[in-house]
Amino acid sequence: NAGVMQNPRHLVRRRGQEARLRCSPMKGHSHVYWYRQLPEEGLKFMVYLQKENIIDESGMPKERFSAEFPKEGPSILRIQQVVRGDSAAYFCASSPMNGRDLAKNIQYFGAGTRLSVL
Amino acid sequence: DQQVKQNSPSLSVQEGRISILNCDYTNSMFDYFLWYKKYPAEGPTFLISISSIKDKNEDGRFTVFLNKSAKHLSLHIVPSQPGDSAVYFCAATNSGGSNYKLTFGKGTLLTVNP
Repeated sequence: NAGVMQNPRHLVRRRGQEARLRCSPMKGHSHVYWYRQLPEEGLKFMVYLQKENIIDESGMPKERFSAEFPKEGPSILRIQQVVRGDSAAYFCASSPMNGRDLAKNIQYFGAGTRLSVL
Repeated sequence: DQQVKQNSPSLSVQEGRISILNCDYTNSMFDYFLWYKKYPAEGPTFLISISSIKDKNEDGRFTVFLNKSAKHLSLHIVPSQPGDSAVYFCAATNSGGSNYKLTFGKGTLLTVNP
């Protein structure tokens, strides 16, 4: 299966703990995006990364949230000192390129990680 | 503020009939639109897209219509099949700006009854 892989699928944390969400993009894709879906809401853009670079993190909360996409290994979305409001589904997407031809830059999504904060 | 609105949370149709899902947007900078389908416990799957230079795009049973003056688009599924039952998300972006930022609606749950 060459799709976008996210793990874990479900993650339960107590308030104040750290959450680490992993995303492996589709084979051949070097652009990764993270989105968050709160209950009853649409997906909201958080961050866009390329290998070893954060391109746009304008959708990410300024505190406690960070993201990386190292040269080797999956992209990681890290949430420190989680609070109940962080409970959501976090989706990762990848695309083969990011240019002006959007028909070639379709974002393909993983199955998501559902984070529950107790 | 919601820049992409899907005002119908749910829609129920009979198998074989047409399903019409609607989407409105407020940001006039949006010029590229996508529809994604999502089954429970899965991620959104790309379905079809349309650029603002067109008013219609067709792919098999799926057709998307764009009315720029009304800032409205719709997805038509003909004929509808039970396997089409899913949540459908409308998304939009600005091809000239940060085109990777997709703005999603809240989704419409489509149920196709056998």
